[in-house]
Amino acid sequence: ETGVTQTPRHLVMGMTNKKSLKCEQHLGHNAMYWYKQSAKKPLELMFVYSLEERVENNSVPSRFSPECPNSSHLFLHLHTLQPEDSALYLCASSQVDRANEQFFGPGTRLTVL
Amino acid sequence: AQSVTQLGSHVSVSEGALVLLRCNYSSSVPPYLFWYVQYPNQGLQLLLKYTSAATLVKGINGFEAEFKKSETSFHLTKPSAHMSDAAEYFCAVNNAGGTSYGKLTFGQGTILTVHP
Repeated sequence: ETGVTQTPRHLVMGMTNKKSLKCEQHLGHNAMYWYKQSAKKPLELMFVYSLEERVENNSVPSRFSPECPNSSHLFLHLHTLQPEDSALYLCASSQVDRANEQFFGPGTRLTVL
Repeated sequence: AQSVTQLGSHVSVSEGALVLLRCNYSSSVPPYLFWYVQYPNQGLQLLLKYTSAATLVKGINGFEAEFKKSETSFHLTKPSAHMSDAAEYFCAVNNAGGTSYGKLTFGQGTILTVHP
């Protein structure tokens, strides 16, 4: 595997379910990001992990819970979601430096029923 | 603070015509600027980036962009559109903002349609 991978690619869940999204980067980067992309809205940065520490949490509801066990893996745990949480969830990674070029995974298309 | 404005949420061109996608930014410090492309049901792919070297930046797939500080612009161009260029394009700015990891701010995106 190369680059940034995300699983699953598609997920349908009910509002009472608990599920997790997984992201893995094979680039040797030390920062990882979760973004939410909804129709007709700009990309929203949700969480940032730098050197495995959460450094940013942009007022995201607690029903989204990130986890970064090491520099290569990032999870987004989901529980009691709402239909408005349906979106494309993108993971990205970067090497922390001034330019901070981010590399994106293919995304997980989440539908909450 | 930093922000990005992409002028035109939709741009339509004929195959073989010039592509021009507009991006203006605001940044309190010298910025790093990026253009990403997103094809349907895929993630974002980097087209090109400006990191304070040459002001004219060449990217993949024949795209290029020019950094103009006086106009706070970073417009994306391609001399001749191809059908495969149809996608959504995002301009992004990063000024590091004093953080160690940097933070990208994205524009709203421009959907490019190419018709025969």
